[in-house]
Amino acid sequence: GAGVSQSPRYKVAKRGQDVALRCDPISGHVSLFWYQQALGQGPEFLTYFQNEAQLDKSGLPSDRFFAERPEGSVSTLKIQRTQQEDSAVYLCASSSTGAWVFGPGTRLTVL
Amino acid sequence: SQQGEEDPQALSIQEGENATMNCSYKTSINNLQWYRQNSGRGLVHLILIRSNEREKHSGRLRVTLDTSKKSSSLLITASRAADTASYFCATHHRYSGAGSYQLTFGKGTKLSVIP
Repeated sequence: GAGVSQSPRYKVAKRGQDVALRCDPISGHVSLFWYQQALGQGPEFLTYFQNEAQLDKSGLPSDRFFAERPEGSVSTLKIQRTQQEDSAVYLCASSSTGAWVFGPGTRLTVL
Repeated sequence: SQQGEEDPQALSIQEGENATMNCSYKTSINNLQWYRQNSGRGLVHLILIRSNEREKHSGRLRVTLDTSKKSSSLLITASRAADTASYFCATHHRYSGAGSYQLTFGKGTKLSVIP
């Protein structure tokens, strides 16, 4: 497609549930990033992939967060046993050699 | 953690006026980028300025970069109601530990342009 797509756009989870957020990057983009954006804040880095290799996961806030990109294209961010503090917008971005392109984000609300 | 700090946090102006937003950062950078985010939407890339550049223009946007002061400014001239959004600066730099490049965002400036 022409841009980065993310699904679902909105997700409501009960505390303790597991969630999976999907990112479809621009075809051919080698780099893929996940960011977390709390309400009223700027995006904060979670993790980075180059093709299928996860080169940096230093931003993942706990071991409940897990990301994968097994074939070097689509990526999934999984959050296990969700907590209220996980409520945020999760943004995915991809890039080649040019500017980064962000997806519309998934708004996660944990009740 | 967030490297950039935008100033002001919020700005309200009349349509037609100019809007200036500032950004300060802490570590050396490869480039600095400005993004716009409309409420409930994703980030839209506006302009990129490299560390060896001092000023860049794109339409009604003007960006300056002062690496000695570790600061940048974004000027939007002749503002329109449609410019109402949050604006973020993001520094592009290398993390020596992981060997990867990433963008580090500030907390943003919320701009309101009143028709």
